[in-house]
Amino acid sequence: AQTVTQSQPEMSVQEAETVTLSCTYDTSESDYYLFWYKQPPSRQMILVIRQEAYKQQNATENRFSVNFQKAAKSFSLKISDSQLGDAAMFFCAYSGDDMRFGAGTRLTVKP
Amino acid sequence: EPEVTQTPSHQVTQMGQEVILRCVPISNHLYFYWYRQILGQKVEFLVSFYNNEISEKSEIFDDQFSVERPDGSNFTLKIRSTKLEDSAMYFCASSDQVTGVTGELFFGEGSRLTVL
Repeated sequence: AQTVTQSQPEMSVQEAETVTLSCTYDTSESDYYLFWYKQPPSRQMILVIRQEAYKQQNATENRFSVNFQKAAKSFSLKISDSQLGDAAMFFCAYSGDDMRFGAGTRLTVKP
Repeated sequence: EPEVTQTPSHQVTQMGQEVILRCVPISNHLYFYWYRQILGQKVEFLVSFYNNEISEKSEIFDDQFSVERPDGSNFTLKIRSTKLEDSAMYFCASSDQVTGVTGELFFGEGSRLTVL
């Protein structure tokens, strides 16, 4: 079974600074998708960014970008110019036969 | 913007009671999912549903659990006889594609179940 590991239960960043959230996964498949979801307090999870495993180019969405290292099975999320509204739980997810999530990283943004 | 809605937002029940959690997926979506998150732990897959039948289920989804789409709009999760360890946040999600392809999941806000 595929597993997703987020080794940072909590992270903190100063407003306007950059923070990187780490994620590793385990799989024997060669074709899959990886996602980062954000869950603001008391709100539903929303998709932040998606990466196809067959693409070498790292995905970017405005202030959000990923560092996808397929051989190392690593998929980190970089948030640039952090804003107060970025405070949330961030979940890394692997999609193969079904979608599996990591335990989440709680991001705090300090003004 | 269309969204997935879940009711109730919070339910407290006694151990052994039956609970039904309701979800209204996004109207043109065809794939439906239930996930749960025990407090402080990871989000766990329970079941996926497509074409009026279960397409995949996890080891968590035992005989105490069932899902159905009774009227073409609602998607329900029933827990027949709740146990203390069923206390968790339950998330419904829907997608217009199977997750094994490119499907983005759209999540509801969750239903918190507390079993006493």
